[in-house]
Amino acid sequence: ILNVEQSPQSLHVQEGDSTNFTCSFPSSNFYALHWYRWETAKSPEALFVMTLNGDEKKKGRISATLNTKEGYSYLYIKGSQPEDSATYLCAPLEAGNNRKLIWGLGTSLAVNP
Amino acid sequence: NAGVTQTPKFRVLKTGQSMTLLCAQDMNHEYMYWYRQDPGMGLRLIHYSVGEGTTAKGEVPDGYNVSRLKKQNFLLGLESAAPSQTSVYFCASSRGFMEAFFGQGTRLTVV
Repeated sequence: ILNVEQSPQSLHVQEGDSTNFTCSFPSSNFYALHWYRWETAKSPEALFVMTLNGDEKKKGRISATLNTKEGYSYLYIKGSQPEDSATYLCAPLEAGNNRKLIWGLGTSLAVNP
Repeated sequence: NAGVTQTPKFRVLKTGQSMTLLCAQDMNHEYMYWYRQDPGMGLRLIHYSVGEGTTAKGEVPDGYNVSRLKKQNFLLGLESAAPSQTSVYFCASSRGFMEAFFGQGTRLTVV
C-alpha cells in the first residue's frame, strides 16, 4: 500500500499570493496520481489526473507537475483568490488489478482577502 | 446529468439499528467506492467494487456490508450500528483510473 504525505498541512496566504503544495509517495507500484479540491461542506472535485513522469497539467491559475521517479507532485496556485480556499488532496493510484486511490490528508488553504 | 447521488443526506440511528445507504451513478462507471471521513483523518476506503456483481474490502470494512447487483447502484449496509460509525460517508465512481466523481455525502449519527 502506498503511503502518501502532503505538506504543508495548512497554509494561510493573502489574496494575490502564489503558493504551492507537495505530495510525496513511494515511487514503486505507482500507476497514476490524482489531485482533488475539497471545499467545506461540499464533495471532492477532481483537478488533475497525471500518469507520466514529467507530466504538467494546468487549469486556469492552478497547475501541477509530476515526478514518478522520485515520488512527488507539486500543485501550484498563481495569484490566489479567496475562492481558492479549500483542502487540496492528492491520491496516488496503485498499480495492479484492483486499483484504488490512496488518499493523503490534504493541505488546507485559506486565502485572506 | 445527475452524476453520483447518495440517499439519504442525513440520518440519526440508535445503537443496534440497521440501515442501508444507496449510491446511484448515471455515468456507466465500472468502479464504485464507499468512503468514510472523520475529523483529522483522510478519506478511508470501506468497500469498493470494480464491476457489477463484484465487491472487495477496503481499509476499514468491519461492521459494513455492500452489494452491487446493478452496475449503477452500490449499497452500503450497517447491520448493527455503533457510535463508532458516526461519520460522513461518501460514495464515488470512476471509469478505470480516471477521475473519481463523488456524491454529496451522508452525515450519519449513531446515538
